[in-house]
Amino acid sequence: NAGVTQTPKFRILKIGQSMTLQCTQDMNHNYMYWYRQDPGMGLKLIYYSVGAGITDKGEVPNGYNVSRSTTEDFPLRLELAAPSQTSVYFCASSYSPGSYSGNTIYFGEGSWLTVV
Amino acid sequence: GQQLNQSPQSMFIQEGEDVSMNCTSSSIFNTWLWYKQDPGEGPVLLIALYKAGELTSNGRLTAQFGITRKDSFLNISASIPSDVGIYFCAGRVIQGAQKLVFGQGTRLTINP
Repeated sequence: NAGVTQTPKFRILKIGQSMTLQCTQDMNHNYMYWYRQDPGMGLKLIYYSVGAGITDKGEVPNGYNVSRSTTEDFPLRLELAAPSQTSVYFCASSYSPGSYSGNTIYFGEGSWLTVV
Repeated sequence: GQQLNQSPQSMFIQEGEDVSMNCTSSSIFNTWLWYKQDPGEGPVLLIALYKAGELTSNGRLTAQFGITRKDSFLNISASIPSDVGIYFCAGRVIQGAQKLVFGQGTRLTINP
């Protein structure tokens, strides 16, 4: 059981470049999330999705875009990379919150992104 | 927006000692979660709390959901080297889209 898989693990971008962080889950979860974690800080929600075709902004959405064409995949797009986007990015998924099992969020292993 | 204050930010203890950390908020949460993050990994759920006053254990870990719904603590008894890592509390808000808010983390270091 792979769980939540995100790629790439590490990436260095130049200012102004674009890239997509890929995320896929094989648990048939309807909720998916993207978080960023800055050094010494907790996780901040960038975007989330409650199901295929539906996305919504989190706490820090500026500079990012997402799409959810399938239940399994939730890619995160950086259009014009800026140094402020240097961070560790975590994709996560869960069943519907509010249900007992929905409070268990499964995280991917993280993607280390550096913008220079 | 909602904020969680987690303390302490870091702890340096001897193997075998007990550990205590807590989170407080100005907002009310309907769920409290405690996660552990090992270096180079994503957070892993340790304990989930669903009701005010609830006290739940998972091996040497014990966590409680505060009566006011604005705080939670995590205790680790008889620490061992593999307890090293960063511990995060997270709260789920009562209204809205049920998003999680994370604390800043407590970095635990254990001297053997």
